[in-house]
Amino acid sequence: ETGVTQTPRHLVMGMTNKKSLKCEQHLGHNAMYWYKQSAKKPLELMFVYSLEERVENNSVPSRFSPECPNSSHLFLHLHTLQPEDSALYLCASSPSRTDIEAFFGQGTRLTVV
Amino acid sequence: GENVEQHPSTLSVQEGDSAVIKCTYSDSASNYFPWYKQELGKRPQLIIDIRSNVGEKKDQRIAVTLNKTAKHFSLHITETQPEDSAVYFCAAGYSGAGSYQLTFGKGTKLSVIP
Repeated sequence: ETGVTQTPRHLVMGMTNKKSLKCEQHLGHNAMYWYKQSAKKPLELMFVYSLEERVENNSVPSRFSPECPNSSHLFLHLHTLQPEDSALYLCASSPSRTDIEAFFGQGTRLTVV
Repeated sequence: GENVEQHPSTLSVQEGDSAVIKCTYSDSASNYFPWYKQELGKRPQLIIDIRSNVGEKKDQRIAVTLNKTAKHFSLHITETQPEDSAVYFCAAGYSGAGSYQLTFGKGTKLSVIP
């Protein structure tokens, strides 16, 4: 699949589990983003990476830990989550940090039980 | 920081009618205003965007207008079709030097009734 690909599409995890979300982009972009989408709320920006360097961290709890090993891959490591963390987690990429036309992945639907 | 308000939250129109969704923003430095369409269970997809050097942009049945003085922009869909049913998000941000990001509205659920 071209564009921005996220795996897994669905994830159910217990509050004591550790899991990771993966995002891969095939667009040659240099910036990647994690967003959280909850019902009846705007898309919330969580993290921004530009050329593998984290440039934004919008007061996200430490139970969410991002990793960007290269400009094509982005991970979100999860541990000791709470039920209120259940949401759709969307990855996006843009050509650069200053060109913010965002292309989204299909998201990972996370349920914390 | 930027604050984006979007109205209405839900909108129902008859097939063939027009639909208008409005957004306001707070940061006068914002110069990039995209609109995204998200169908149920699918990713948000960019459908049209406008930059602050133009006041209106059209793409077939879709148009966006921007009023920088009033800090508002609108999405217009004409001759609506059932496949236009989705959630539409507006966003505002600064595209250029600096550390800006896109700020999204809460979304409008559009239902087109056949």
